[in-house]
This record gives sequence, structure tokens and C-alpha cells, in this order.
Amino acid sequence: ETGVTQSPTHLIKTRGQQVTLRCSSQSGHNTVSWYQQALGQGPQFIFQYYREEENGRGNFPPRFSGLQFPNYSSELNVNALELDDSALYLCASSLRLAGDADTQYFGPGTRLTVL
Amino acid sequence: RKEVEQDPGPFNVPEGATVAFNCTYSNSASQSFFWYRQDCRKEPKLLMSVYSSGNEDGRFTAQLNRASQYISLLIRDSKLSDSATYLCVVADSWGKLQFGAGTQVVVTP
Repeated sequence: ETGVTQSPTHLIKTRGQQVTLRCSSQSGHNTVSWYQQALGQGPQFIFQYYREEENGRGNFPPRFSGLQFPNYSSELNVNALELDDSALYLCASSLRLAGDADTQYFGPGTRLTVL
Repeated sequence: RKEVEQDPGPFNVPEGATVAFNCTYSNSASQSFFWYRQDCRKEPKLLMSVYSSGNEDGRFTAQLNRASQYISLLIRDSKLSDSATYLCVVADSWGKLQFGAGTQVVVTP
């Protein structure tokens, strides 16, 4: 296993609600990336956090926000949920040294259903 | 146009046979290249990195052609356990991964 954990495993919300997803990175890793995977699609990059700072963002609206904590764990927050937000949310941790990105290891994901 | 394009398949492969497929990418500045494997409703798992010189890991061989911007994966002596979706992934210098939609491989007895 990768040592990356995510919670919760599954979640059901209704439109307009807010959700917080959590990720614990692999020991020794300092970078967390979040991805959204809709059914039948590849994962889409949401954003990346490196040493508690956002380090790049994909094409997602501002209602998708995140945090990284001093222990390098991370949260993904989504406000004003829409039906299209239903997806598997994956976090991936990696060790970034001297500006070079290293291999990313994925957690098991959180499956979010918006009704 | 998608940044990473793959044939979705499925590739139906008899056990013991060889299967090969590739993907193309549009960003010529891409720095790193990978194949990930994803089983149904599970997270992607790194299969192998891909290098210009070509690299092999057991029954799996990956190749990168930077000039033509395509990446290939070949699986020899296919096993039933190789049935999965194979995701082609390219990364920029700070680690933003761009995924293809995946190629489904089904190995049959």
C-alpha cells in the first residue's frame, strides 16, 4: 500500500451543501495533489499544495478550495455542491526536492455522490 | 483537443498473448511520463515511469517518442490479473499530472 489515507470513503450530499474531504500523506512527503475523477474519465487535476502553500491549480471554480497543514495532511473543501461534483476524489502525495516533482502515490479516494 | 489522448478499448486479449497500445500528448514541454494502472473503482497505481531510451519491468515494456509525442506500453505473456484500465500520464516540471481517459484491457482465459 502507498501509506496515503483518505476519509471518508463514501459520502452522500445534496445540492447546495458543503463538503470537506481529508487526506493524510505518506510519511516523509511534503506535497499533496488533489484530483477529481468522473465516471469513465481519467483523473482531472484540481490543485496542489507544497509546504502549506497552493502550488498550482487546474480548471476548477473557486468553490473548490484546500488547505495543507504543518504535518502535510490536507483538506479539500467544496462549497455549493452541484450534481456534476459527483465523482471519485483522489489525493496523491509526493516528495518534492529542489523544485523537481517526484512520483505521486494515490490514496484510495473518497466517492462523493451529490443528490 | 485533450492534452492526453488514448484509445479507450477495450482490448480483448487471450491469456498468454501480447498486447500493445499507446497514447499521444499535446504539451511538448512535458517533463515526465508514466503509466498507471487502475482497477475498477480503485485508485490509480503507478505501473512504471517511461524514459526515452525505453524501459522494461518484467513483462511490461514502455517507450517514449518525444519527437512524435507518443508513449507506448506493451504487455507480454498476458495474465488474467492484467485486466485493468491503463492510464497514460504526463507531468510538467512541478508535478501537475495530466491523465488520459484510460485504455481498458480485458484478458480472457
